[in-house]
Amino acid sequence: AQSVTQLGSHVSVSEGALVLLRCNYSSSVPPYLFWYVQYPNQGLQLLLKYTSAATLVKGINGFEAEFKKSETSFHLTKPSAHMSDAAEYFCAVNLFTGGFKTIFGAGTRLFVKA
Amino acid sequence: DAGVTQSPTHLIKTRGQQVTLRCSPKSGHDTVSWYQQALGQGPQFIFQYYEEEERQRGNFPDRFSGHQYPNYSSELNVNALLLGDSALYLCASSLDGTSGANVLTFGAGSRLTVL
Repeated sequence: AQSVTQLGSHVSVSEGALVLLRCNYSSSVPPYLFWYVQYPNQGLQLLLKYTSAATLVKGINGFEAEFKKSETSFHLTKPSAHMSDAAEYFCAVNLFTGGFKTIFGAGTRLFVKA
Repeated sequence: DAGVTQSPTHLIKTRGQQVTLRCSPKSGHDTVSWYQQALGQGPQFIFQYYEEEERQRGNFPDRFSGHQYPNYSSELNVNALLLGDSALYLCASSLDGTSGANVLTFGAGSRLTVL
């Protein structure tokens, strides 16, 4: 079973519209969840992380995510999309197997239309 | 403060050849993880090095090997290259890796094309 599943390989929104990128995690994984972003021709960088503190996590560039244990979800949102948000977004989890390793979802590419 | 640096940025090899990719971690980080990212896919975990030892390994064949040096820098070696090895290889560093809250810092990657 996948540790994290991202629903939708591509999402397209208009500039100024709500951004919602979906991520569900396996209930067997520890609650160390992350969102990373990858801009074209770059490595990944951390957007935000959940580590069992507040369930609503705020990240950089106006993004936030809510940890919902009952739904095993960790969806990423932003109230108003900007053209510069166009990128690939990855949901990830840290799994312990003798040390922690980060496992990534398949990614969701966000397109922002003018 | 330099982040993670990788070299080379691009390279082209032919089937059956061998390749070595290099990574210098972020200052203060002691753990290096390598990922393979095929086009349109998420990064796949190859292995992780800590204290010059391979601590964890993903589902990759023995053709993929690595090394970590005392200064924490690392190499990824791939032998007997296959067409399917064409991908972006990402190096990520972190601190220790014994905390679930551990965050990875990534390099820009080495893009390998196998012809």
